[in-house]
Amino acid sequence: DVVLTQTPSTLSATIGQSVSISCRSSQSLLDSAGNTYLYWYLQRPGQSPQLLIYLVSNLGSGVPNRFSGSGSGTDFTLKISGVEAEDLGVYYCMQATHAPRTFGGGTKLELK
Amino acid sequence: QVTLKESGPGILQPSQTLSLTCSFSGFSLSTYGMCVGWIRQSSGKGLEWLANIWWNDDKYYNPSLKNRLTISKDTSNNQAFLKITNMDTADTATYYCARSGVTTDFDYWGQGVMVTVSS
Repeated sequence: DVVLTQTPSTLSATIGQSVSISCRSSQSLLDSAGNTYLYWYLQRPGQSPQLLIYLVSNLGSGVPNRFSGSGSGTDFTLKISGVEAEDLGVYYCMQATHAPRTFGGGTKLELK
Repeated sequence: QVTLKESGPGILQPSQTLSLTCSFSGFSLSTYGMCVGWIRQSSGKGLEWLANIWWNDDKYYNPSLKNRLTISKDTSNNQAFLKITNMDTADTATYYCARSGVTTDFDYWGQGVMVTVSS
């Protein structure tokens, strides 16, 4: 199975600070058709995960544009440009290029 | 408005079979490109994908659960189902169903249903 390694595991930030989360894959997530099936989700405390970013860099429906995704191959990044209080929770990356789908271990974003 | 809601037994004993139902609205599993998947999360831990069922009845399973999983759907009643046989205490988790489209994996999630396996 593809292993997704997220760093850091915990991230402390102040409101307004910009932060980045890394997701590194054990295999390239580029498929033979040129697609990269890498997604980002946020799970707020006590809630279900919600889709933030699909296909590396596309914003999910209703997701604020302070979130952005980038990367290619095996290295991907989620950036939050100006953390707000509602952004606190655990962030997960997920790949769907290789079966089975796998998730990263999560990055907890907390207030400093 | 897309919504999904899981339902299940809450608690069951080891070796029993878990039957989960995902009732959804706002989309149809007979529409091209639609999919419902199941994902679980053990207490305080990460996410594990279990299975997907697509509009054309294609089914995909996580091999880590070997032959224990069966996913199905009832398109007329907007429901998807997951059965897991031979449940163990290690299967105690919150089980989610989620919708996928052609490009957006798991863009809508249910609230989750907690399942405890205990003797």
